[in-house]
Amino acid sequence: GDSVTQTEGLVTVTEGLPVMLNCTYQTAYSDVAFFWYVQYLNEAPKLLLRSSTDNKRTEHQGFHATLHKSSSSFHLQKSSVQLSDSALYYCALSDDPSGSWQLIFGSGTQLTVMP
Amino acid sequence: GPKVLQIPSHQIIDMGQMVTLNCDPVSNHLYFYWYKQILGQQMEFLVNFYNGKVMEKSKLFKDQFSVERPDGSYFTLKIQPTALEDSAVYFCASSFRESAETLYFGSGTRLTVL
Repeated sequence: GDSVTQTEGLVTVTEGLPVMLNCTYQTAYSDVAFFWYVQYLNEAPKLLLRSSTDNKRTEHQGFHATLHKSSSSFHLQKSSVQLSDSALYYCALSDDPSGSWQLIFGSGTQLTVMP
Repeated sequence: GPKVLQIPSHQIIDMGQMVTLNCDPVSNHLYFYWYKQILGQQMEFLVNFYNGKVMEKSKLFKDQFSVERPDGSYFTLKIQPTALEDSAVYFCASSFRESAETLYFGSGTRLTVL
């Protein structure tokens, strides 16, 4: 079945430096959408950005990600992190094998930004 | 923005008892979902619900689980009887369309089964 892999459970970065959170996936389907969700402490997961177009950069709130089907990746990047970016980040994919959209999540990466 | 409310935020019960987790979805949303997250693992799809019916459920959605939304009120997940392995955070979500792009999540209910 489909799967999403986030290899880093915890990433610590100094404020102002760049960060990349890894996300790779496996799917047998072609009509697939990819998402990054962010969850701040004691809050609900919120959609950060999404993409379904190969090799197209998607940006939101200073973060960006590009879907690369050739490498089955959808890494999240930011050129200069802020303290407020500290949160749990989930990569997810959504396919539509039966007409009922489900999200398949990775295990999440906790990003901690240090001053 | 739109919010999904989950009540309670924490619940502790004894194994074998019944528990009902409540979700107040976004008011004009039509599709409802439950996800389960065991500590340290990813969120996993349990079930989705539309027009009073379960549309799809995963293998995690055991026979002891049931969902309903009587008269447009709370969307509930009932577990009867509970087992130790049901301990997890349960996230409710809702959407206006059948699309992951419009999915809004609640903050989760942490269920501890003793």
